[in-house]
Amino acid sequence: DTAVSQTPKYLVTQMGNDKSIKCEQNLGHDTMYWYKQDSKKFLKIMFSYNNKELIINETVPNRFSPKSPDKAHLNLHINSLELGDSAVYFCASSHPWDGYTFGSGTRLTVV
Amino acid sequence: GENVEQHPSTLSVQEGDSAVIKCTYSDSASNYFPWYKQELGKRPQLIIDIRSNVGEKKDQRIAVTLNKTAKHFSLHITETQPEDSAVYFCAASENTNAGKSTFGDGTTLTVKP
Repeated sequence: DTAVSQTPKYLVTQMGNDKSIKCEQNLGHDTMYWYKQDSKKFLKIMFSYNNKELIINETVPNRFSPKSPDKAHLNLHINSLELGDSAVYFCASSHPWDGYTFGSGTRLTVV
Repeated sequence: GENVEQHPSTLSVQEGDSAVIKCTYSDSASNYFPWYKQELGKRPQLIIDIRSNVGEKKDQRIAVTLNKTAKHFSLHITETQPEDSAVYFCAASENTNAGKSTFGDGTTLTVKP
């Protein structure tokens, strides 16, 4: 039974398109995150939600819009995709002051 | 905000040798320090963590040490095996509802058989 599941695993799309990535966790965690991992493997936080409330919104273009319909789900919608958006996007969840459980990642390729 | 520096960026050791990865952090309010292992094409996975009220923690072949005064913490892997080859990330976070972890840039560890 997967703890943090993300879909899709791979996403190839053209510049200018809009796409969504979905994330669900069954661990009962209150906090969920989106991280971006670029080609150099750096992990950078994008957003954090605690119990459906946006807590962290790092310097991310407003083309990226997260949505948390309930505390078990955190989706990421991206408008007007650009080449520079190509990366692996990881969803994660945790209890406060605890380690993360990551999803399997979504490899986004913008062509 | 928090800044985490991690060294070295790459590390190559012979099987059976020890490996040490070091991290420094800038925010004295940080009090939780996890380490993650990411194998090629996989997700990062938590392998060990340490909290600010503890100086050292060990789990079989891996150990982590924390020096709060100097704001640095280290991961030690003994008797390395080829399956230890991966990218290792340190992170630092504060005990708040945000739970945000700031990650180091990663260390690519290669264990040669």
